Amino acid sequence: GAGVSQSPSNKVTEKGKDVELRCDPISGHTALYWYRQSLGQGLEFLIYFQGNSAPDKSGLPSDRFSAERTGGSVSTLTIQRTQQEDSAVYLCASSLGDPQETQYFGPGTRLLVL
Amino acid sequence: GQQLNQSPQSMFIQEGEDVSMNCTSSSIFNTWLWYKQDPGEGPVLLIALYKAGELTSNGRLTAQFGITRKDSFLNISASIPSDVGIYFCAGQVHPGGGADGLTFGKGTHLIIQP
Repeated sequence: GAGVSQSPSNKVTEKGKDVELRCDPISGHTALYWYRQSLGQGLEFLIYFQGNSAPDKSGLPSDRFSAERTGGSVSTLTIQRTQQEDSAVYLCASSLGDPQETQYFGPGTRLLVL
Repeated sequence: GQQLNQSPQSMFIQEGEDVSMNCTSSSIFNTWLWYKQDPGEGPVLLIALYKAGELTSNGRLTAQFGITRKDSFLNISASIPSDVGIYFCAGQVHPGGGADGLTFGKGTHLIIQP
């Protein structure tokens, strides 16, 4: 069956531009998670959605980052006025929503800010 | 925030050798997970542990949830070339029993020498 998909797979942008990253979760998964992985580092949790609601946005690195989810499915992570330190792999995961349900990860979007 | 200390950072071993890696935390986690990440891919779940003291196997992989809930180890027996990759530990707290993001270690790079 289809897994988590993310687009674009790679994005190169200039400092100061806005970017939008998209995540399509596994069909039927109510929980959706965004993580950031910097070069050679582990994954840093950013935000999660239960349905369309994000209970806790404190993991977002700055107010330039925002995320939304509509229709309980697709989610977008938007970074405004990108900075070079935003360069990283942005990974999305989804799960059935029960606390012990496995989070399945997408392949990520590799963002490079020049 | 919570942090996981994962060691070793990298391992250079011969094919057929056993591998051991571990994670420790200064705070309690209620779920411990071990993921493997191949280049250009998202992490894939290997083993999930839900109870303190639990010892779980998945083929040649064995993992344990420490009795204090502050540590976990992963063992790989009789390593083979496809075991090469980055292994991450991850923990979840589940505040209030709900879903939450994963806290990841920085990873162990496993390299198998021919």
